[in-house]
Amino acid sequence: DGGITQSPKYLFRKEGQNVTLSCEQNLNHDAMYWYRQDPGQGLRLIYYSQIVNDFQKGDIAEGYSVSREKKESFPLTVTSAQKNPTAFYLCASREGQLTDTQYFGPGTRLTVL
Amino acid sequence: AQKITQTQPGMFVQEKEAVTLDCTYDTSDQSYGLFWYKQPSSGEMIFLIYQGSYDEQNATEGRYSLNFQKARKSANLVISASQLGDSAMYFCAMNFNAGGTSYGKLTFGQGTILTVHP
Repeated sequence: DGGITQSPKYLFRKEGQNVTLSCEQNLNHDAMYWYRQDPGQGLRLIYYSQIVNDFQKGDIAEGYSVSREKKESFPLTVTSAQKNPTAFYLCASREGQLTDTQYFGPGTRLTVL
Repeated sequence: AQKITQTQPGMFVQEKEAVTLDCTYDTSDQSYGLFWYKQPSSGEMIFLIYQGSYDEQNATEGRYSLNFQKARKSANLVISASQLGDSAMYFCAMNFNAGGTSYGKLTFGQGTILTVHP
C-alpha cells in the first residue's frame, strides 16, 4: 500500500536536546512538506522540498532543520534553538502539477518536558 | 497577502441532515487551488475535495461538495446526509499561483469543529 509514514507517533524531549522526526513516503512524489499544528489552530509550514538535495524555508523555519538525501525521506530535526517545540508535526507529499493535492502522514506529537 | 478565513469555530448538525462549513479567501492571484481536509481526533489530515480556480463546475466527491463562488471569494464545503463519523475538525486550504511559483504550498484556515448528534 502506498502512503506516508511518520515515526515516532509520540516523542518526549528534554529541554536542550535535538530530536529528529522521521517522514517516509512510497508514493513516488517529488515534493514533501513539514507542518506544525498547535492546539486548536491550523497548520503552519516549516520547510518544504521540491526535489532531492533541495529544500526551502517555510513560514516558521527558525529552530528547525531538514535534509532531503533520498526522494522517499524528508526528516525534520527540532533543535534546541526552537523556543516552544511542543506541538503536533505533520509531514505531507504532493502528487504533482495536476491538482497539487497534498497527502499527509499520521503525525508526530512532540512534548518537551 | 493571501488569507483563508473560517468564521465558524464550531458547528452542530443532526445525523442525516446536511451541513455547510464556510470558507472565504483573499487573494489577487488568478490561478489557485481550493482544498478541504478532515482531521479526526487521531490527528491525521484526510483529503476530501479539490477545486481549481478555473473549474466552472463545483467539485463533488460522494457526500462532499464544494460550493465555489469565485466573485464572492468563498469555497464552502457541503456535507450531505451527515454521519456520526463526520464529527471532526475541518480545514479549508489553498495554494496560490497554482502551477507557478507557489511550489504547492498550502495556506490553512483556523478550522471548524463539526459535531454530529444522533
